[in-house]
Amino acid sequence: KAGVTQTPRYLIKTRGQQVTLSCSPISGHRSVSWYQQTPGQGLQFLFEYFSETQRNKGNFPGRFSGRQFSNSRSEMNVSTLELGDSALYLCASSLEADMNTEAFFGQGTRLTVV
Amino acid sequence: GEDVEQSLFLSVREGDSSVINCTYTDSSSTYLYWYKQEPGAGLQLLTYIFSNMDMKQDQRLTVLLNKKDKHLSLRIADTQTGDSAIYFCAESRAGGSYIPTFGRGTSLIVHP
Repeated sequence: KAGVTQTPRYLIKTRGQQVTLSCSPISGHRSVSWYQQTPGQGLQFLFEYFSETQRNKGNFPGRFSGRQFSNSRSEMNVSTLELGDSALYLCASSLEADMNTEAFFGQGTRLTVV
Repeated sequence: GEDVEQSLFLSVREGDSSVINCTYTDSSSTYLYWYKQEPGAGLQLLTYIFSNMDMKQDQRLTVLLNKKDKHLSLRIADTQTGDSAIYFCAESRAGGSYIPTFGRGTSLIVHP
């Protein structure tokens, strides 16, 4: 069974650009969550999608957005990139959006903004 | 203060026990988790404990929960070099989003 796949693994962008990151959950998983990991702030929750609907959202500006497709694959987009957006972006998928269900993490996309 | 706090570093000798500590602030936390992150990898759930439990043991891992003090610990017996990683404590609460809130992680360094 394939794990959570995030693409690309590494990305370098310049300030002001936009970026789209992709996450393919484990087959059959309907919940996808996104996190930003930085040395200074640790793991910060961005948003969670379940059956194509955003169900939860963290405290990030509107430059951060996401969506989920009917096959549960999810994308997140960051517009007008800032240096502080440099981080490891992690995606997690779970069978249901429920505390009893383990979330499986992908390896992440390392975004560097220069 | 932060919702979940952990010390940033822990260094132990191979074969010794490691104890990683965590404190949380929300008394309504229902699930408490320990995740492991190896270099270049995502997070892997190691174990979790319900808030109505005091202890959970799984092979070399022992989780202790002191709900009164809102203190969680992870003990790794016979620590090996392969245990070197960042360990994250996280909590989630009933009655709302299940999304866990993470601590900043403790870097465990195991030296020979």
